[in-house]
Amino acid sequence: EAQVTQNPRYLITVTGKKLTVTCSQNMNHEYMSWYRQDPGLGLRQIYYSMNVEVTDKGDVPEGYKVSRKEKRNFPLILESPSPNQTSLYFCASSPLEGVSTDTQYFGPGTRLTVL
Amino acid sequence: AQSVTQLDSQVPVFEEAPVELRCNYSSSVSVYLFWYVQYPNQGLQLLLKYLSGSTLVESINGFEAEFNKSQTSFHLRKPSVHISDTAEYFCAVKRGRGSTLGRLYFGRGTQLTVWP
Repeated sequence: EAQVTQNPRYLITVTGKKLTVTCSQNMNHEYMSWYRQDPGLGLRQIYYSMNVEVTDKGDVPEGYKVSRKEKRNFPLILESPSPNQTSLYFCASSPLEGVSTDTQYFGPGTRLTVL
Repeated sequence: AQSVTQLDSQVPVFEEAPVELRCNYSSSVSVYLFWYVQYPNQGLQLLLKYLSGSTLVESINGFEAEFNKSQTSFHLRKPSVHISDTAEYFCAVKRGRGSTLGRLYFGRGTQLTVWP
């Protein structure tokens, strides 16, 4: 089954404790992206990647890092989480050819709480 | 920067009533338009999209949206809603060219609640 998976689905942590949220897709997509969803703000893009070793900032990159060492994986790293990073996070992917017109496929989401 | 405005944050309706969820976008270049739906405790799923051709696009579950270039709108409609349509709906835009190729810009979402 074609899908985007994220782990963990739920995470409660404390300020300053480094964490990684993993994202993996099995559709051989080049384009991958991370979003955060906050009430009343919709989804905002954090980082995206056009291909392996190619990443770029979205609209709200502060406090986050990403890496793209393999095509299928695009982990989101919070080096020193803070309470304002409490949010619902979504990973998404799509093919690069026709990236403007193709659907982005979303993972199930990771609900992060930083105390 | 691209902006997407969803004019209503909450839309409560009774079952079998018609509904319209409004979306306007700003862009000086060609765009592609999407509606995504998020059911409770789930991720986003594509509902329908406009790429080119007929300005009226339909989904498999009875929703339709019309692209209006002059009004830069892409409103979502359904003539008769069901309780199972209760969800949050997001309008989104991609630019057809330029440095932000492929980036999805989302509106803030409209929570549709259908009451029996």
